[in-house]
Amino acid sequence: EIVMMQSPATLSVSPGERATLSCRASQSVSSNLAWYQQKPGQAPRLLIYGASTRATGIPARFSGSGSGTEFTLTISSLQSEDFAVYYCQQYNNWPSFGPGTKVDIK
Amino acid sequence: QVQLVQSGSELKKPGASVKVSCKASGYTFTSYAMNWVRQAPGQGLEWMGWINTNTGNPTYAQGFTGRFVFSLDTSVSTAYLQISSLKAEDTAVYYCAREGGYFQHWGQGTLVTVSS
Repeated sequence: EIVMMQSPATLSVSPGERATLSCRASQSVSSNLAWYQQKPGQAPRLLIYGASTRATGIPARFSGSGSGTEFTLTISSLQSEDFAVYYCQQYNNWPSFGPGTKVDIK
Repeated sequence: QVQLVQSGSELKKPGASVKVSCKASGYTFTSYAMNWVRQAPGQGLEWMGWINTNTGNPTYAQGFTGRFVFSLDTSVSTAYLQISSLKAEDTAVYYCAREGGYFQHWGQGTLVTVSS
């Protein structure tokens, strides 16, 4: 089983600032890594797949990078609608999710 | 457009069973596997497994064997999750999610509450 870890657990950011979220896998997942955004009471929304490809309709302020075991999601300039929980998920093996990073308002 | 519409919230007593449905539209149902994901209250996402919509063959993740059953009715493009012998710790939102390796499309979630 591949264990996914995310840091920090909570990230406090002011609107307009940059947010950098980290995800680490317990073994290499190549580029088989996705990022999701989840707001309260909603289903997760796919942001990034293949570690760096934005899903359809996702704004350019969201970008993903990394390969192997270390990955990063960057939100270049936080908008009010971006405050949410973000999950990484590997699909190199049976899928597994990280525990999430909550991005809240500073 | 692709839509996955799940059945409504359920309140069940411990020991009972529940069956959650996920009706797909906007694509050929048998072209994509269907996954199930659990989210306990205030917790993260947990992949439960998937079902091959061509063959009906299910695969269950660790921790989801025995009481959990995935099934299909391809005539109505619907996937089902049945949970038997419900326990309080089964209280969660259950999502269906269409396969891509990653999950592009999700149902809206079904809250199952287990309480006496």
